[in-house]
Amino acid sequence: NAGVTQTPKFQVLKTGQSMTLQCAQDMNHNSMYWYRQDPGMGLRLIYYSASEGTTDKGEVPNGYNVSRLNKREFSLRLESAAPSQTSVYFCASSESSLNYGYTFGSGTRLTVV
Amino acid sequence: DQQVKQNSPSLSVQEGRISILNCDYTNSMFDYFLWYKKYPAEGPTFLISISSIKDKNEDGRFTVFLNKSAKHLSLHIVPSQPGDSAVYFCAARWGAGSYQLTFGKGTKLSVIP
Repeated sequence: NAGVTQTPKFQVLKTGQSMTLQCAQDMNHNSMYWYRQDPGMGLRLIYYSASEGTTDKGEVPNGYNVSRLNKREFSLRLESAAPSQTSVYFCASSESSLNYGYTFGSGTRLTVV
Repeated sequence: DQQVKQNSPSLSVQEGRISILNCDYTNSMFDYFLWYKKYPAEGPTFLISISSIKDKNEDGRFTVFLNKSAKHLSLHIVPSQPGDSAVYFCAARWGAGSYQLTFGKGTKLSVIP
């Protein structure tokens, strides 16, 4: 009963390096989301995918790209990492964009040095 | 411009007493309000919600109250238990067709045995 699985759990990058955060859900949910959590800032939406084949920008999309690979998987890419992207990243899914009971993954802690 | 505000970063309560967590919002277009609970090193989990047309919703020890005229909601936990110690995020849903959640910064609740 995995729910939402994020990989990796921890990552350290050098400034300018690129990486992709992976997210997969096994609940047959249609909608998926990427959030970042910073100290004192709460959770902020980066990108979301209301359904397979669609993606939209959230509150803080700059510096990121996303791919909804299929219904299960939604990846987040940092093309050229910056120290300001040091954060904890959470992937979430919901049955549809109408459903507010999101299921979150356990997060990826990313440090950019 | 933060649309969902949790002005208390932390709260300490004695076990068995009532915990009251507060949240204010500015956007009148929010149609659902939610509370999520987060333990360290885990993703947030959905706790309870309330529609904007209701003023109270109860689920066991948890009750959420909504005061639309004041744009204020609160989460009451009675009685508080040590296992309730976590960060609580207030969130609100908005959109048309494709919805998003906006989160507050969170309040860290500590229940003292």
